[in-house]
Amino acid sequence: EDKVVQSPLSLVVHEGDTVTLNCSYEVTNFRSLLWYKQEKKAPTFLFMLTSSGIEKKSGRLSSILDKKELFSILNITATQTGDSAVYLCVRGSARQLTFGSGTQLTVLP
Amino acid sequence: DTEVTQTPKHLVMGMTNKKSLKCEQHMGHRAMYWYKQKAKKPPELMFVYSYEKLSINESVPSRFSPECPNSSLLNLHLHALQPEDSALYLCASSQDEEFTDTQYFGPGTRLTVL
Repeated sequence: EDKVVQSPLSLVVHEGDTVTLNCSYEVTNFRSLLWYKQEKKAPTFLFMLTSSGIEKKSGRLSSILDKKELFSILNITATQTGDSAVYLCVRGSARQLTFGSGTQLTVLP
Repeated sequence: DTEVTQTPKHLVMGMTNKKSLKCEQHMGHRAMYWYKQKAKKPPELMFVYSYEKLSINESVPSRFSPECPNSSLLNLHLHALQPEDSALYLCASSQDEEFTDTQYFGPGTRLTVL
């Protein structure tokens, strides 16, 4: 089955905590693994991962892909209330994006 | 310009109304997409246009009618919608259909059907 599975479905932390969001995917037609952040509007692009074991970083956010075990993680360090959002993991292939159900992250002050 | 714009931002319509959603990009992208997103769910693909031709129709009811007048514009015509069609409608574009994984999303139109 063509699935992207994210865990946890929701997470509540306090400012300053570090969080790890998980994503596992089916290998069929895999070309890339994408992470998006969605607040109340459109998803905003965070990372595209195509190679295994190479960490991508953007400020307090980082992500890595394991193509052997078919998963990716998104880490957020020193969380802030502005990090509260749904984080979508998306498998990219030619002509198709397959979305996970998202992780709802709430960061409390 | 790496922006996809959508109008209107919000739309409230009755079940007998006819309205249109508009999407525009000036990045020279040749693939454009319509997604529907219900609350607390991921986006669901509705239509894909590739080089102004309809490439994918994900079994969407005929009350949704897409149109691609030129390579920069994508419309979604709405007629006789149901309350369950209330959702966030997202437009996206990519270089072409082979580069689906580098889509740029517009801000969305939040549609409420009364």
